[in-house]
This record gives sequence, C-alpha cells and structure tokens, in this order.
Amino acid sequence: GAGVSQSPRYKVAKRGQDVALRCDPISGHVSLFWYQQALGQGPEFLTYFQNEAQLDKSGLPSDRFFAERPEGSVSTLKIQRTQQEDSAVYLCASSPRIAGVGEQYFGPGTRLTVT
Amino acid sequence: GENVEQHPSTLSVQEGDSAVIKCTYSDSASNYFPWYKQELGKRPQLIIDIRSNVGEKKDQRIAVTLNKTAKHFSLHITETQPEDSAVYFCAAYFGDAGNMLTFGGGTRLMVKP
Repeated sequence: GAGVSQSPRYKVAKRGQDVALRCDPISGHVSLFWYQQALGQGPEFLTYFQNEAQLDKSGLPSDRFFAERPEGSVSTLKIQRTQQEDSAVYLCASSPRIAGVGEQYFGPGTRLTVT
Repeated sequence: GENVEQHPSTLSVQEGDSAVIKCTYSDSASNYFPWYKQELGKRPQLIIDIRSNVGEKKDQRIAVTLNKTAKHFSLHITETQPEDSAVYFCAAYFGDAGNMLTFGGGTRLMVKP
C-alpha cells in the first residue's frame, strides 16, 4: 500500500516568509509524529498527534511553529517568519499504535532551505 | 529528558567484516529501543527493535543487544555488504515522558568492496 507522503519535497523560503509543510500518513494510522533533522544529525521530536488531538508539542522550538491535524488524517506543519536556523529536513512519521512503542513509518521528508 | 549518545560517528569496514554500533541512554525507565537505517536522501527505515524485557534479538545478519543495568544497547551487523552502507540511528522511547523517540546522532557506515 501507499506509504507516508510529504509535500513539497523541497522548499526554499526567504527569511521572514511563512511556510506550510504537508504530511499524508498511512491510512488508518492513529499516531502521527513530526521531527526536525538538521544536516548530519538524528531526527529531533517536534510534536505528536493521536488522531486529531495534539498530545505532545514539547519539541516545537518556538511559537513560530504550529502543527495541526484537524480530521485525524492529513497534518500540516506551519512555520511563521522563517529564520535561517529553521533550515532542515522535516520528517513526518505515522504509526498504527498509540504512543511511541512500535515501528514508526517515516515519510521522505521536506527539505526546507531558508535564505 | 532522555539523552541518547551514539558511537562511533563514522565506521569503515571491509566487505564481509562485522560492524558494531553502540548507544547509551540516560533514562533507566526507557523501555523500547529501535534502530533505523537511512540511505542518502531517503527516509529512515526500521531495521530491528528491542524491548526492555529482552536482552538480545537477532534477524538474519543483524542483531541488537541490550544491557539495562549499564543503560546501553548495540547493533551488530555480520558479513557486511556494500548495500549496508548508510547512516544508522539508534533511538530510545520512554513513554511516561511523552510520546517521543529520542534519537542518537547517527553512525555513517561505509562498507568497502
């Protein structure tokens, strides 16, 4: 079946612009995670959804970052007033299980470059 | 919060040799430890995982060992092949702290033919 998809795959934004990154999880997956992966680093947790409820947003680096999953399927990560330090790959992952135990299926990521 | 340290950051081996990657974690209550493989420009993919009630798990050429007392776990790849070349990430999950996986910094494995 179809895996996790993300769009766009690449995004270049000028500093100060707002961006929206989309994640389409595997159909029926309850859990959805967003991660930020800087070049040469491991993914770092941003936020977690169980269906439409955002249960954990402790990893969001600032109030410029906002995520939603209004119908419990597609999710959008929005970054307002982008800064150069926001440049990274943003990974989305989904899981059929509640919480973090068990395989998380990752999308291909969106590479954001802020100039 | 949880902290995961991973070593080495790069590892070069000859085809057919074994490779070992080690991780330590800080929170003794962590109970799930997956390993992900990420090829250049591609998504991370789970290759093996272990839960805290098990000391070792093996899947063909890949094995993971867990020492809860010392709070470390290791990935062992035997009979390495060029297609094993990738970045490997360990991770730890501690449910009561939220729903996050904490990842190590990654190991770039290069298998020379």
